[in-house]
Amino acid sequence: GEKVEQHESTLSVREGDSAVINCTYTDTASSYFPWYKQEAGKSLHFVIDIRSNVDRKQSQRLIVLLDKKAKRFSLHITATQPEDSAIYFCAASKLGYKLTFGTGTSLLVDP
Amino acid sequence: DPKIIQKPKYLVAVTGSEKILICEQYLGHNAMYWYRQSAKKPLEFMFSYSYQKLMDNQTASSRFQPQSSKKNHLDLQITALKPDDSATYFCASSQEGGGGNTLYFGEGSRLIVV
Repeated sequence: GEKVEQHESTLSVREGDSAVINCTYTDTASSYFPWYKQEAGKSLHFVIDIRSNVDRKQSQRLIVLLDKKAKRFSLHITATQPEDSAIYFCAASKLGYKLTFGTGTSLLVDP
Repeated sequence: DPKIIQKPKYLVAVTGSEKILICEQYLGHNAMYWYRQSAKKPLEFMFSYSYQKLMDNQTASSRFQPQSSKKNHLDLQITALKPDDSATYFCASSQEGGGGNTLYFGEGSRLIVV
């Protein structure tokens, strides 16, 4: 089955800098790649996703890049703010199949 | 107001006992899921239901049994509890089943087995 590896377990940036979280996946048939955010002690919330028919998607300060050849996708958070501090999970799935999550990246934005 | 209600939020259980985790969603979604999050493993898919039918089961143990009495309910019964079952159990839902649909998560039920 699909395996998703999230490369950074922790990431610390200064407020205003950019943060980049990288993930790789194994199943070439995967076509849907969402990102979720989990604040301390809380549930997961969807933040952004990308589908395999595009290689870039932006929503305000969030940019997702997809490299299908390398089976790699990344989340870029620009102009970081303290409220961006959380655990971010990447995930991947084929259409019609379950989401497989990465292990999470704990992002700390220092004010 | 939370749209996915999970009960209880916290529970402590004795090894060997049985517990039921409740999940109700008020998003009008047709698919529901259970995921488990523990310190030892990443967020782990357990079950998916679509229109009250089991679609996928990735839980090796039959001690975990989902129960769907209504389309917007998916409870999780856990029998013969073990300390390794200690985790936070998240219920989720999506408009339709299968990949490509945004998941909405409940607040989780944190289970500690002693």
